[in-house]
Amino acid sequence: DVKVTQSSRYLVKRTGEKVFLECVQDMDHENMFWYRQDPGLGLRLIYFSYDVKMKEKGDIPEGYSVSREKKERFSLILESASTNQTSMYLCASSLRRDKAYEQYFGPGTRLTVT
Amino acid sequence: KNQVEQSPQSLIILEGKNCTLQCNYTVSPFSNLRWYKQDTGRGPVSLTIMTFSENTKSNGRYTATLDADTKQSSLHITASQLSDSASYICVVSNYYGGSQGNLIFGKGTKLSVKP
Repeated sequence: DVKVTQSSRYLVKRTGEKVFLECVQDMDHENMFWYRQDPGLGLRLIYFSYDVKMKEKGDIPEGYSVSREKKERFSLILESASTNQTSMYLCASSLRRDKAYEQYFGPGTRLTVT
Repeated sequence: KNQVEQSPQSLIILEGKNCTLQCNYTVSPFSNLRWYKQDTGRGPVSLTIMTFSENTKSNGRYTATLDADTKQSSLHITASQLSDSASYICVVSNYYGGSQGNLIFGKGTKLSVKP
């Protein structure tokens, strides 16, 4: 079974703090994705990566950055957290680029910025 | 514009009853359609996936249908259980081979099953 884990289930941070969300997958998948999910808006793609040290912007990258130093790990960084970044963050992975539609999701991190 | 619309937004049914959730899409080119179940506070888990040539796929009490001509899909849940309470998300893909593509997500239908 594919396993995607996220470092925290719940996180509370203050406005202006630098926040790191970590995601690890154990199935040697090439592709990794970060989404945020908000009520009434569904899932929106923030960033994705097709390979180590590669990153591409999704639909809503503003205010976020990512890092992929190792194949199994994909980090989402909020350089200066703001209250409008309070959300559920979901990480996903897929085997390779032509199977990018077959995404396996982690359990999510619910981030609250106060 | 690629879009996936789901209806209803929310649904309440009694345990043991059947229900059907709808998904209409305008995505081109179409690659496949997947239904996910997302329990509250959890990540989505795939229920079924269908390509252009498939018009029905079952997973236990869940049966998905696809009409590629009308660009509609439905998810039918039979003999509902309390554990079926969740959000159900329809996702359409327009990936082809190694080309760029997207997953287009619906906003989901929130199902509540009451005893």
